[in-house]
Amino acid sequence: AQKVTQAQTEISVVEKEDVTLDCVYETRDTTYYLFWYKQPPSGELVFLIRRNSFDEQNEISGRYSWNFQKSTSSFNFTITASQVVDSAVYFCALREETSGSRLTFGEGTQLTVNP
Amino acid sequence: DTAVSQTPKYLVTQMGNDKSIKCEQNLGHDTMYWYKQDSKKFLKIMFSYNNKELIINETVPNRFSPKSPDKAHLNLHINSLELGDSAVYFCASSQGRGRHIQYFGAGTRLSVL
Repeated sequence: AQKVTQAQTEISVVEKEDVTLDCVYETRDTTYYLFWYKQPPSGELVFLIRRNSFDEQNEISGRYSWNFQKSTSSFNFTITASQVVDSAVYFCALREETSGSRLTFGEGTQLTVNP
Repeated sequence: DTAVSQTPKYLVTQMGNDKSIKCEQNLGHDTMYWYKQDSKKFLKIMFSYNNKELIINETVPNRFSPKSPDKAHLNLHINSLELGDSAVYFCASSQGRGRHIQYFGAGTRLSVL
């Protein structure tokens, strides 16, 4: 059965600090997909990134970077030089190839960036 | 242009009533979903339709009935609303399944009094 764990319920940082959001997943499939979504205070869910299980290359997009490590079943998300606008709930999600279109979400991490 | 749109954004109603939430996507996707987000922000899939065919039906009370009149629409009808139905309901869509990205609507906040 697929499972996603985001152990950090809440993180609070001061602007310009770097922050890493942890995500650990469980799956028996060899083919699977990992996602990160952002839910700002306005409530919508915004897609950030997708990774497939065969692509362990880390990715950087501006101040955002993602570290995918199959050996530890982790897909961590780092925000460099955080800004107040980064304050949101961040969700990690997993989709197994055999489960079709079912996305399993972690519990989310509430990130608060203080000025 | 809003890619996945849900109406209404807020819904306040009394226990026992029947209500519907509508969802439309203009992305040309063939798969649509309903998710429920509870008060602790936990997101869980309820239903999924692919080309108007139900492909995922999680353990959801049968008071919840999805209806997909065409590929671009997936509505959610809820009968005999209960206090525990209060949540935010999200519609999403994707092109195909598996690796494809699901794009979400803005959510409908349902409050049952």
